[in-house]
Amino acid sequence: TQLLEQSPQFLSIQEGENLTVYCNSSSVFSSLQWYRQEPGEGPVLLVTVVTGGEVKKLKRLTFQFGDARKDSSLHITAAQPGDTGLYLCAGSSGGGADGLTFGKGTHLIIQP
Amino acid sequence: KAGVTQTPRYLIKTRGQQVTLSCSPISGHRSVSWYQQTPGQGLQFLFEYFSETQRNKGNFPGRFSGRQFSNSRSEMNVSTLELGDSALYLCASSSRTGGGREQYFGPGTRLTVT
Repeated sequence: TQLLEQSPQFLSIQEGENLTVYCNSSSVFSSLQWYRQEPGEGPVLLVTVVTGGEVKKLKRLTFQFGDARKDSSLHITAAQPGDTGLYLCAGSSGGGADGLTFGKGTHLIIQP
Repeated sequence: KAGVTQTPRYLIKTRGQQVTLSCSPISGHRSVSWYQQTPGQGLQFLFEYFSETQRNKGNFPGRFSGRQFSNSRSEMNVSTLELGDSALYLCASSSRTGGGREQYFGPGTRLTVT
């Protein structure tokens, strides 16, 4: 069974600070996705990374896929209250049809 | 383009009953996946349907079943409900099947079993 461990589980910081959340596994994934979920809503896809070492930027968010495709990180620069939410990483082992393996998420609160 | 819709949004059932949840995917999407989300276990994959065929199934008991219709709408059924089935049930649609597919989630159905 593939597992994804996310850390930290909870994070509360002030507006303007930088932060990094991590997603780690002992398994290799063919691709990894990051989602953000707000209360009462379903997760919204932020990015998909597929190549080891790949870095993608989405405004103030930087996503990195580890060289061995076993881990990933999400870095937020100058966090804003609108960044508050549950951040989920999800890995795919690839191949045929399969579901995603989700981490349990990082609850992020940005205080004004 | 309209997003993924799920009905009902909230549901309260009693142990032993059964329940059917509905999901309408984004127009043109043929893949629908179902997930269970709980505080303790997080998001767990239930199954995926593509073109009316179940493509893959997660590690859930046979009480959880689903189907997909020719218009890609999908239903999920849980029989003999248990207290532990209380959760947010999410469906996600995609234009393709296979790993790494971009999935668009609906708002979920909040099921409470008493």
